[in-house]
Amino acid sequence: QVQLQESGPGLVKPSETLSLTCIVSGFSISSGYYWGWIRQPPGKGLEWIGIIYHSGITYFNPSLKSRVAISVDTSKNQFSLKLGSVTAADTAMYYCARLYDSGGWFFDLWGRGTLVTVSS
Amino acid sequence: QSALTQPASVSGSPGQSITISCTGTSSDVGGYNYVSWYQQHPGKAPKLMIYNVSNRPSGVSNRFSGSKSGNTASLTISGLQAEDEADYYCSSYTSSNTLVFGGGTKLTVL
Repeated sequence: QVQLQESGPGLVKPSETLSLTCIVSGFSISSGYYWGWIRQPPGKGLEWIGIIYHSGITYFNPSLKSRVAISVDTSKNQFSLKLGSVTAADTAMYYCARLYDSGGWFFDLWGRGTLVTVSS
Repeated sequence: QSALTQPASVSGSPGQSITISCTGTSSDVGGYNYVSWYQQHPGKAPKLMIYNVSNRPSGVSNRFSGSKSGNTASLTISGLQAEDEADYYCSSYTSSNTLVFGGGTKLTVL
């Protein structure tokens, strides 16, 4: 079955760049769908970060756009998130997910999430 | 973009029905039939429960239903069960080609 798995450092220093990768198994990223990132600060709600298509087309949350980059590596069947100039407010569980975009916009498959803490 | 508005909490007894509202604007909820609902149990990833306002993915109980009127979407859970106790989030496509979530609603089964 299709699985998504986030990976990356669990601790990032303030002002540095947070980098995460989502490895997709059981489905080729090149086959379609958008692939995205969502985060959830401890005890708070979900926040959409952005999405990417296998061709490289991206859409971002306007509030994060200036600090976010999402890239895709079809040869490794994975996509990545970079968030720059992080502060404690960026501490959150980060989820990667598959976005169904053909007659709808919803995340139908999610990774388990990875907790990233911003602290010196 | 502003988060969609959901009640912070709702509660109901086993067997009862509850409804969670999700209010947006004509640029998101009201403008498109692209509202979805997610269930999240503590320590778990969100799970898709409803998509495109009222459609259920395969495997989701028919006790879960969705609807929309104007700028407000609703999730109704009938025949409440203890396992339904969780956080619920709505989301919507927006006119800016983005997606916005609601603030989340904690459902307590009494």
